[in-house]
Amino acid sequence: AQRVTQPEKLLSVFKGAPVELKCNYSYSGSPELFWYVQYSRQRLQLLLRHISRESIKGFTADLNKGETSFHLKKPFAQEEDSAMYYCASNGAYNTDKLIFGTGTRLQVFP
Amino acid sequence: DVKVTQSSRYLVKRTGEKVFLECVQDMDHENMFWYRQDPGLGLRLIYFSYDVKMKEKGDIPEGYSVSREKKERFSLILESASTNQTSMYLCASSTNDQGFSASEQYFGPGTRLTVT
Repeated sequence: AQRVTQPEKLLSVFKGAPVELKCNYSYSGSPELFWYVQYSRQRLQLLLRHISRESIKGFTADLNKGETSFHLKKPFAQEEDSAMYYCASNGAYNTDKLIFGTGTRLQVFP
Repeated sequence: DVKVTQSSRYLVKRTGEKVFLECVQDMDHENMFWYRQDPGLGLRLIYFSYDVKMKEKGDIPEGYSVSREKKERFSLILESASTNQTSMYLCASSTNDQGFSASEQYFGPGTRLTVT
């Protein structure tokens, strides 16, 4: 089965520390990959997608096809980055359906 | 801005009741989705609709059905609610027009359903 794996349920860092949220996918080919974020008491929303190659709120994510990874990184975490982060992919097929990982909760302490 | 609304934020139902969750989007999106969100399990797709009256099963369709009679509205139906269907239910919509194989999904605020 096609899977998106986020190995960490919780990641805790202090403000100003670098952050890396890990995401691996289980299939070859050229999937589309996304990071979605859910802040406290807000709805789930798109943070970034690999095809855009953008940096959003200081976050970047690079697709590594050799390692089938799409890790989310930020050099200096801020308290307002505290949220639930989900990695998602449309798998090995041309489809609008997304497969989500189990999520990583990021806590940034002052 | 895309607006996806869900009929209830909180719902409490009894085991065996038939439950309807409604979702409405106002951006003329072709695709609509129902997920359940559980701690430690992430988001799991229940059903997907890519057009009016069209639907596809997701990963966990058992115990659920859906209805899409109008483009803007996608309903999730629990035929006979059970306690293991206690969860947060999220609706989402997306368009086919962005030139990508998978477009950004826009989510509703969620319905927290408790089945007792």
